[in-house]
Amino acid sequence: QVQLVESGGGVVQPGRSLRLSCVASGFTFSSHGMHWVRQAPGKGLEWVAVVWSDGGNKFYADSVMGRFTISRDNSKNTLFLHMNSLRAEDTAVYYCARDVLGVVGPNQLLDYWGQGTLVTVSS
Amino acid sequence: SYELTQPPSVSVSPGQTASITCSGDELGDKYVSWYLQKPGQSPVLVIYRDTKRPSGIPERFSGSNSGNTATLTISGTQAMDEADYYCQAWDSSTVVFGGGTKLTVL
Repeated sequence: QVQLVESGGGVVQPGRSLRLSCVASGFTFSSHGMHWVRQAPGKGLEWVAVVWSDGGNKFYADSVMGRFTISRDNSKNTLFLHMNSLRAEDTAVYYCARDVLGVVGPNQLLDYWGQGTLVTVSS
Repeated sequence: SYELTQPPSVSVSPGQTASITCSGDELGDKYVSWYLQKPGQSPVLVIYRDTKRPSGIPERFSGSNSGNTATLTISGTQAMDEADYYCQAWDSSTVVFGGGTKLTVL
């Protein structure tokens, strides 16, 4: 069965960096686009970034553009989110999610989600 | 940037039909997905490409999308359907979520 397991969350000071990981199993990781989606405490879902199946294309939400980098290692079935210059407003549970498509486009949908990892940005 | 608007809350009596709307400019020209999220859990896909149900999702969940509004309909609502519901679409190479609707079954 499809499994997505996030890790790397924790408490970090404003301005510092953090790297999240998401290990995938139960499917052909290299055939699917992958997303990061976050949810601030008590708030709704906010999309963060997507990477196509081959890692060749990446897109970001305006709120993280230039600070966050999404990447993947298909040989290790692992998705990453490198977060720099962290701010208090980045505090959230971060979910990785699988896209049904490899080349993510208008037909896309997020069909499996991990359990999330909590990032707290605080001094 | 593209926006999707949902009502913050909807209430329904058990056994009745609940409708949750999602509005956006020319939304009918895009595919809409719907996710439910129960407290402390990850989101779950319940409707995709406007009207399709993933395997394992009960038939009481249905969707439509036309003009500027997509609608998630839950027929014969059960207490277990109480959750937050989010619509989602794709625009300009980004994923857009609605603000979410809290469905209360009372």
